[in-house]
Amino acid sequence: DVKVTQSSRYLVKRTGEKVFLECVQDMDHENMFWYRQDPGLGLRLIYFSYDVKMKEKGDIPEGYSVSREKKERFSLILESASTNQTSMYLCASSFRTGGGANVLTFGAGSRLTVL
Amino acid sequence: GQNIDQPTEMTATEGAIVQINCTYQTSGFNGLFWYQQHAGEAPTFLSYNVLDGLEEKGRFSSFLSRSKGYSYLLLKELQMKDSASYLCAVRDSNYQLIWGAGTKLIIKP
Repeated sequence: DVKVTQSSRYLVKRTGEKVFLECVQDMDHENMFWYRQDPGLGLRLIYFSYDVKMKEKGDIPEGYSVSREKKERFSLILESASTNQTSMYLCASSFRTGGGANVLTFGAGSRLTVL
Repeated sequence: GQNIDQPTEMTATEGAIVQINCTYQTSGFNGLFWYQQHAGEAPTFLSYNVLDGLEEKGRFSSFLSRSKGYSYLLLKELQMKDSASYLCAVRDSNYQLIWGAGTKLIIKP
């Protein structure tokens, strides 16, 4: 069964801490994405990557960075966590093809609370 | 700006039919997606429409009218397990996905 695995389902951190969210996919997908999901809002894209060592800013990159050293792994980093980064973080992956359905496969999410 | 609108919450009865609407205004159009998300779980793909018309897949169907910027997801013979949020997303001219806030569907016995 193909999977996107996020390392932590629930995290509680303090303001100012550095936070790492890890995501691993086993489908040999080229594309990987980090979204955050907040009540009453659509998914918002933080960063995405089309290839190893490649990253592109999404709609809300401020306060975040990413790392993609291996094709299967895409990490989201909060350099100095703030309370407004309390959210559900969703990782997703897909094949590179631009056309067709090119469906996203999501991880189960990491719920981060910053105190 | 780009915008996807869908109702926040809907309630329906087990065994009935429900239609969840989605209207969009985006910079270009390269397909519309519906995803299902059960509480605390990952969104999962339901359907994809790029041409006008109805796509049927078992109990679920999705309709698209590009000229009206409108889609709906039709769920038939509702089951309790269909209680979930349904997310509408449009792929714009840059092949980026624009997401609606989701519709929470509550199924009552």
